[in-house]
Amino acid sequence: AQSVAQPEDQVNVAEGNPLTVKCTYSVSGNPYLFWYVQYPNRGLQFLLKYITGDNLVKGSYGFEAEFNKSQTSFHLKKPSALVSDSALYFCAVRDVGGGNKLTFGTGTQLKVEL
Amino acid sequence: EAQVTQNPRYLITVTGKKLTVTCSQNMNHEYMSWYRQDPGLGLRQIYYSMNVEVTDKGDVPEGYKVSRKEKRNFPLILESPSPNQTSLYFCASSVSGRKTYEQYFGPGTRLTVT
Repeated sequence: AQSVAQPEDQVNVAEGNPLTVKCTYSVSGNPYLFWYVQYPNRGLQFLLKYITGDNLVKGSYGFEAEFNKSQTSFHLKKPSALVSDSALYFCAVRDVGGGNKLTFGTGTQLKVEL
Repeated sequence: EAQVTQNPRYLITVTGKKLTVTCSQNMNHEYMSWYRQDPGLGLRQIYYSMNVEVTDKGDVPEGYKVSRKEKRNFPLILESPSPNQTSLYFCASSVSGRKTYEQYFGPGTRLTVT
């Protein structure tokens, strides 16, 4: 069975500093990996995905993620954090055997402070 | 505007009283899915549908029913709700097929069963 792990429940960053939200995965075969963001009282919004190709994937709102096959990681990054980036972030992996099913991590709460 | 809508957004009910949460999308997506979100557990899939009249169980289907009579609608039915079904529910949709498409999420339905 495939899975993703988000080892940090919460990440605190000062505005203007770089941020990293960690995700590791476990799949058999090629991974299809996603990041979603959830703002308070809202549904999840797609940020970016990795299917194949360049290991550095760029997404919405200035976010990017680095796919590392040897470390089975897909960390979310942003060079300069904004207070408005404060939200709940989910890493997900697509089930290669079952249509469009996504398996989500437990989420990481990002708090960006002034 | 492309969107997934859910109704109601908030619902408080009592054990055993049947309820339906509606989900509708206006993007002509084939794939639709229901998730529940619980603290520390991330999102878990309840049921999904690859197209009209095609539904299947996700990871936590017990106590839930779904139907897909029209492409745009995918209601979630709780025949006899119990307190352990108190949760935040999300409907999602996406294009189906061999390519990997991102999922679009509704705003969520917060259900409390007393």
